[in-house]
Amino acid sequence: NAGVTQTPKFRVLKTGQSMTLLCAQDMNHEYMYWYRQDPGMGLRLIHYSVGEGTTAKGEVPDGYNVSRLKKQNFLLGLESAAPSQTSVYFCASSWTGRTEAFFGQGTRLTVV
Amino acid sequence: AQKITQTQPGMFVQEKEAVTLDCTYDTSDQSYGLFWYKQPSSGEMIFLIYQGSYDEQNATEGRYSLNFQKARKSANLVISASQLGDSAMYFCAMREGRDAGGTSYGKLTFGQGTILTVHP
Repeated sequence: NAGVTQTPKFRVLKTGQSMTLLCAQDMNHEYMYWYRQDPGMGLRLIHYSVGEGTTAKGEVPDGYNVSRLKKQNFLLGLESAAPSQTSVYFCASSWTGRTEAFFGQGTRLTVV
Repeated sequence: AQKITQTQPGMFVQEKEAVTLDCTYDTSDQSYGLFWYKQPSSGEMIFLIYQGSYDEQNATEGRYSLNFQKARKSANLVISASQLGDSAMYFCAMREGRDAGGTSYGKLTFGQGTILTVHP
């Protein structure tokens, strides 16, 4: 089982460039999440989705957009990257809002 | 708003000894869940153990146990018989309770983490 797979694993962007991070899960989970991890701050929720076609804002949504066109995929977009978005991004999925979340391996993004 | 506090930035333990990682939380919800995740140097997040707020017994998973003290709002992780492979960052996290409509969206609030180093 692949579980939760994030693409790419590493990326360097210039300020103002755009990119999309892809999260794919093969567990038929309804709920999917995007978190960012910064040094000394733990993980913080960016956006989440409770099913195909739905998205909602988390704690730190500014500068990001998401889409869930297919149940198994959750895309995180940066329209105009800023150095403050340098972080490690984690995708997670779960069966429901009351079951454990499974995390992807993370994407390390650097914006210069 | 929910908050998770891990007051130990770093902990050291001798191999084969037990270690306790502290976690306190703050919430006004009656129904919530508490999780511990391990993050080794390779970076992935590994689920270790879960405790529901209504669970009467402390959760256990192999060498991991969760010392849940609801009145004190603490959910400490106990690792027995530490191994070198336990060296990692450990995160405590809390899942929000249900909204007014009874739905839980599974959103997690994380603590800042504790780096555990196991010495041979």
